[in-house]
Amino acid sequence: ETGVTQSPTHLIKTRGQQVTLRCSSQSGHNTVSWYQQALGQGPQFIFQYYREEENGRGNFPPRFSGLQFPNYSSELNVNALELDDSALYLCASSLGYGVQETQYFGPGTRLLVL
Amino acid sequence: AQSVTQLGSHVSVSEGALVLLRCNYSSSVPPYLFWYVQYPNQGLQLLLKYTTGATLVKGINGFEAEFKKSETSFHLTKPSAHMSDAAEYFCAVTGGNSGYALNFGKGTSLLVTP
Repeated sequence: ETGVTQSPTHLIKTRGQQVTLRCSSQSGHNTVSWYQQALGQGPQFIFQYYREEENGRGNFPPRFSGLQFPNYSSELNVNALELDDSALYLCASSLGYGVQETQYFGPGTRLLVL
Repeated sequence: AQSVTQLGSHVSVSEGALVLLRCNYSSSVPPYLFWYVQYPNQGLQLLLKYTTGATLVKGINGFEAEFKKSETSFHLTKPSAHMSDAAEYFCAVTGGNSGYALNFGKGTSLLVTP
């Protein structure tokens, strides 16, 4: 069974650019959540996708957007990058979106904005 | 809103000693509580979770946690620390206003000394 995978592992961008991060969910999982983890902090919820629809959003501006595809893989897009967007971006998949569901995390994409 | 507070950003124990990592939660409804571990340059791995039922929860790698409603706590313990336990540990809560999104604490870094 393949776990959650993310690409790329590392990325360097400059302020104002746009970035796309990718996530492949664990086999059989239809729900993907994205989190931002700043250095020395716990992860912060960005948004969740369930069966290709956004199913909830944290306190992040609209320049953070996403997609989920029919195979349940997902993308996180960030426009107009700011220095504070530098962080580890984590994707997690789950069997559903219930409060008791275990979310399985990928290794993350480390983004540096210069 | 649901939240967790992890007491102690850094904890140091000797190999073979008891590990105790503290987590207190704030919740207006029965919480669902999770402990995750993050090794350097990796994503998060679930150690254990509490949903309903038995208040003593056993997880992987010899860890366990006890849900104490009267103390609003969910502390993580392990009887005997191994060098391989050195990592960052995160307590998280779902439910209530947080819905299905994991609301993480700031984390506790565990150092194990020989």
